[in-house]
Amino acid sequence: GAVVSQHPSWVICKSGTSVKIECRSLDFQATTMFWYRQFPKQSLMLMATSNEGSKATYEQGVEKDKFLINHASLTLSTLTVTSAHPEDSSFYICSARDRQGEKLFFGSGTQLSVL
Amino acid sequence: GEDVEQSLFLSVREGDSSVINCTYTDSSSTYLYWYKQEPGAGLQLLTYIFSNMDMKQDQRLTVLLNKKDKHLSLRIADTQTGDSAIYFCAESKTGGFKTIFGAGTRLFVKA
Repeated sequence: GAVVSQHPSWVICKSGTSVKIECRSLDFQATTMFWYRQFPKQSLMLMATSNEGSKATYEQGVEKDKFLINHASLTLSTLTVTSAHPEDSSFYICSARDRQGEKLFFGSGTQLSVL
Repeated sequence: GEDVEQSLFLSVREGDSSVINCTYTDSSSTYLYWYKQEPGAGLQLLTYIFSNMDMKQDQRLTVLLNKKDKHLSLRIADTQTGDSAIYFCAESKTGGFKTIFGAGTRLFVKA
């Protein structure tokens, strides 16, 4: 199946710094990628839909200035958590649809810990 | 609105069969999925079924779909300790962007 690579796997940062997470589709082009947030023992919460060449679509309650999404190419989307605070600590996962639009493939996730 | 529900917890003995159940509300769902998540990892697509199918089998996995009752199940035959994980049920529509996930079922396999 298709491969989605997410980097880094984990990051620890100081409060107030910004963190960038990359999501790449390795063997297919993804015009649309998705960013999720997952709290411990909970399901995935869709944060935003990342569209290649245009602005991301954010879900209600997600601050677009806080979580900057850039989808500059058909294989790369980035999520930047700006001025991170401890409450931003979470597991962030990206995903991308395959060409047929049937299946959703996920990255391995990024565990963010803000001190 | 769209909603996917599944039981939160299942415990089975190694070698037994596991059945994880899921219900969904959107009758126009086209694709129904089962994903597996191991600790600290992303989601792995296990299998999926089109809404015009009743059953799909893939090695130890059997998916049953009752479209009338909007009920989906995943059966894992000969469950192994390596099957311990969280299993997410999800649904989406043709042309739709969003995939709706259930809360996940935690499967514990006892040796």
